[in-house]
Amino acid sequence: AQKITQTQPGMFVQEKEAVTLDCTYDTSDPSYGLFWYKQPSSGEMIFLIYQGSYDQQNATEGRYSLNFQKARKSANLVISASQLGDSAMYFCAMRDQTGANNLFFGTGTRLTVIP
Amino acid sequence: NAGVTQTPKFQVLKTGQSMTLQCAQDMNHNSMYWYRQDPGMGLRLIYYSASEGTTDKGEVPNGYNVSRLNKREFSLRLESAAPSQTSVYFCASRKNRDRNTEAFFGQGTRLTVV
Repeated sequence: AQKITQTQPGMFVQEKEAVTLDCTYDTSDPSYGLFWYKQPSSGEMIFLIYQGSYDQQNATEGRYSLNFQKARKSANLVISASQLGDSAMYFCAMRDQTGANNLFFGTGTRLTVIP
Repeated sequence: NAGVTQTPKFQVLKTGQSMTLQCAQDMNHNSMYWYRQDPGMGLRLIYYSASEGTTDKGEVPNGYNVSRLNKREFSLRLESAAPSQTSVYFCASRKNRDRNTEAFFGQGTRLTVV
């Protein structure tokens, strides 16, 4: 069975500092993808970044990057130069490769950026 | 550039009342999903539609029904609302369920059942 684990319910970071949000996963499928979403207090789900299991390099999108360690089954999100607007819930997700093929989500990490 | 549009944004129901949550996407996506979000539990799949004309149960389907009216629209119905259905509901769509494509989400519906 596939599984996504986010062990940090809450994190704090000083403005302008970098922060790493942890995500570990478990799957038996050799081809898979990891997604990160941001949910600000307004409630919408915003797609941030994607990492494919066969991608040779770690994904980057602006200030977001993925520290993808396939052997350790981890896909941690790194946010550089944190801004106050980064305060939000962050969800790691993976495609369910049985049945619905939906994205199934971890329980999330609440990030608070301190001025 | 509407993306995924959900209505209503907020709703309060009395126990036993019924309602339908509407969802429409304009991205020509094949797959559509309904999730509920509860504190500390992330998002859980209620129902999904892999393509027009098909629907299937997800992780937590009890108390809900769905209709894939056409390729654009996927509605969620609560026939007899219960307090346990108090939650935030999200509709989402993906271009192709068999590929590693991201899901696009609606703004969410905050439902309270009293």
